[in-house]
Amino acid sequence: SAVISQKPSRDICQRGTSLTIQCQVDSQVTMMFWYRQQPGQSLTLIATANQGSEATYESGFVIDKFPISRPNLTFSTLTVSNMSPEDSSIYLCAAVGPHDVKLFFGSGTQLSVL
Amino acid sequence: RKEVEQDPGPFNVPEGATVAFNCTYSNSASQSFFWYRQDCRKEPKLLMSVYSSGNEDGRFTAQLNRASQYISLLIRDSKLSDSATYLCVVNGARGGRDDKIIFGKGTRLHILP
Repeated sequence: SAVISQKPSRDICQRGTSLTIQCQVDSQVTMMFWYRQQPGQSLTLIATANQGSEATYESGFVIDKFPISRPNLTFSTLTVSNMSPEDSSIYLCAAVGPHDVKLFFGSGTQLSVL
Repeated sequence: RKEVEQDPGPFNVPEGATVAFNCTYSNSASQSFFWYRQDCRKEPKLLMSVYSSGNEDGRFTAQLNRASQYISLLIRDSKLSDSATYLCVVNGARGGRDDKIIFGKGTRLHILP
């Protein structure tokens, strides 16, 4: 299974600012995803991070608000832009390996927006 | 019918008891099924895959019923450390070329001393 390092683990941010979350995988993976999990809720897929091209966003999520980069097969970033208190949530990156269908997660970023 | 549906619980079960919960899925073309465990404020972690023939890992047994479109998780001799939220995950639930991995909302389990 892949090991995914995600940082920061938590942050407290001011309204209107932006935060970039990074995920580094210890092996090449085919697919990387970004999820959001609000308190007491299940995971919601934000987007699929595509290597070398624009991410594929789910309904309700847009690139201007959640720009994503994936410059290579092992690294991706998610930026939460122009934050508001409604963006307070746990953000998780996840990956699927080249010979697998199982999903593995980073340890998550607990974001609080004041 | 929701794509993946679980009873949210909570299930409050005395230590040592056996507990089981199900997860239903809507798309009969779904291909892969998993149970994940998520502790409070932690990331989900793969508990076990669910195979057509059923599979067992220690105290945990997972089964797939394709005819009725559900998967189940059975925990025997439950431990306090089993307290967590159990997420049902289905791959290929939308049945299209861009199949997504779909998470259920989870079932909360509390093991009582």
